[in-house]
Amino acid sequence: DADVTQTPRNRITKTGKRIMLECSQTKGHDRMYWYRQDPGLGLRLIYYSFDVKDINKGEISDGYSVSRQAQAKFSLSLESAIPNQTALYFCATAPDDTEQYFGPGTRLTVT
Amino acid sequence: RKEVEQDPGPFNVPEGATVAFNCTYSNSASQSFFWYRQDCRKEPKLLMSVYSSGNEDGRFTAQLNRASQYISLLIRDSKLSDSATYLCAVNSGQAGTALIFGKGTTLSVSS
Repeated sequence: DADVTQTPRNRITKTGKRIMLECSQTKGHDRMYWYRQDPGLGLRLIYYSFDVKDINKGEISDGYSVSRQAQAKFSLSLESAIPNQTALYFCATAPDDTEQYFGPGTRLTVT
Repeated sequence: RKEVEQDPGPFNVPEGATVAFNCTYSNSASQSFFWYRQDCRKEPKLLMSVYSSGNEDGRFTAQLNRASQYISLLIRDSKLSDSATYLCAVNSGQAGTALIFGKGTTLSVSS
């Protein structure tokens, strides 16, 4: 079984809809991250969390919110989706300030 | 100067060739360095960490040059299966932050 899982893997939604992307991990890591990846722009950090009570904004947090429900779960929400939020979204985990491990990604399309 | 920069390529090489990528970083306080491999539309996967003394894993060699603030990845005897995008990642030098990723260098190995 994969150590970092993301659901859904693909999603098409309409402008204005609320959508939640979920991430779960069995690695026992305290640190979790959400990134989006767009062609030519690389990985951009949206939010990160170092434990259940710790949430930090990343480079591009506007239009997104997160919830750390447990050490193993970190959800990303788009309160009112817009077309420029169409992207590939990755969750990642890390044990400390070193290497990060990525989930398989969620491909989101907002029409 | 951007925090982490890579030549996007593409690097087009024949099988068996040796190819090298560089990645420059701007923060002299950075302490951890990594190379990730990303196949098309899949998650980045850790290829190797980069140690101060340099390190090798089979056909792959990673080096760190602190004075000039860059890391390098050398691939010897390129295989078709090495075709991918290679991302470098650097920590910010501040405790409690995420890795900073370059936008990636694309490698295409042909027969």
